[in-house]
Order: sequence, then C-alpha cells, then structure tokens
Amino acid sequence: ETGVTQTPRHLVMGMTNKKSLKCEQHLGHNAMYWYKQSAKKPLELMFVYNFKEQTENNSVPSRFSPECPNSSHLFLHLHTLQPEDSALYLCASSQGGRPRDYGYTFGSGTRLTVV
Amino acid sequence: KQEVTQIPAALSVPEGENLVLNCSFTDSAIYNLQWFRQDPGKGLTSLLLIQSSQREQTSGRLNASLDKSSGRSTLYIAASQPGDSATYLCAPLKTSYDKVIFGPGTSLSVIP
Repeated sequence: ETGVTQTPRHLVMGMTNKKSLKCEQHLGHNAMYWYKQSAKKPLELMFVYNFKEQTENNSVPSRFSPECPNSSHLFLHLHTLQPEDSALYLCASSQGGRPRDYGYTFGSGTRLTVV
Repeated sequence: KQEVTQIPAALSVPEGENLVLNCSFTDSAIYNLQWFRQDPGKGLTSLLLIQSSQREQTSGRLNASLDKSSGRSTLYIAASQPGDSATYLCAPLKTSYDKVIFGPGTSLSVIP
C-alpha cells in the first residue's frame, strides 16, 4: 500500500444511484486531492482540500460533491451520474499543503462504471 | 498555460536494454519534477522527485535528470526487466495545485 487508501476499488452504479468514494491517508499530509483519469486522457484535477478547506473546484459538475471531515479523510459523493463519468478516480495527498516541495502520494484508485 | 509532452508515447523493448523516456514542459518556472509509474487500472506510484537544485536523482536502476532552462527531464532505466512494463508519467511541480499538469505518459512494454 502507498499510504493512501481508496475504497472501493471498483464500483458499478446506475445513473439514478447515490454512492460515495472514500480516501484515507495517515501520512500526516495536510492537502488532499481528487483527480479523474479517463481513457486516453491526462489526469484532470477535480478538487483540492488544504487543511480541510476546499481551495479548488476545477469546474466540476455539481453531481460530484466532495467532503473533507478532517485532514486524513476525503470523500467524493456521487449522484445522478452520466455514462461519460465512467473513469478511474484517484485520490492524492501532499505534505505541507502543497505538492511543489515533496510531491504527491496517490492511492490505488476507484474504477467507476456508470451504467 | 503549462503544456507537458512525453516522447515516445509508447515503447517496446527486449529485456535487458537500457532506455530513456523524455518529458518536455513549456513553463520552466517550476520548483521540482516528479516521475511516476502507473500499472493498468491502478494508481500512480512515485518513482523519483527531482529538486531543481539537484538536477539529477537516482533510485536503483532509475536515474532522472532535470534541465529547467530547456524545459526537459529524462528518466533513464538501466537493464530493463518485464516488471518495468507500465506507463510512466512526469509532473513538473509548481506552487499552485491547478498549475500542476501531468504528462500523458509513455507506455513501456519490456519483452522477455
């Protein structure tokens, strides 16, 4: 394990379902991120939480709702998704609230399929 | 806006070869650069973080160099093994989260 744990590893959901993705890190990092990785496309930043405060919402549709109850946990709540939202969702964290000095640590991802 | 390219997009080599993966970026005002490995359907595993003051970083059979002024980084893999087969991504690191653009990756296949 990388130190960042994501659950579930795989998720299949219908367009009317509500589900949540969970991310947990015990590395003492202060910033956590959600990234989306679609087939044949580069990583897309979705949300950033720095010291539990959301500092970035990269024009993500409201059907994705993040939650960061503390510096160690991050959730992504999903509702009424579309098939084009099917992708690998990656959680990452960084030390000191920014990646420039120590880089990112990523989780193993959740493979989401919307049917 | 930062643009990151990685050449080649895909590479297939026989086991034992030494190889070089390239990462180019347009905005040289970066702090450090991080190289990752990604296995199919999995997350990114950090390989090396090169600090701009170091210019070079080594870990086992991997050696990465950074030339900020020319906007280039290379990842050298010595004596490649089938277990090295994966996609390799680079990420030039800046202060702002939204300014960190990940490269599209080089897909490496090492043939036994």
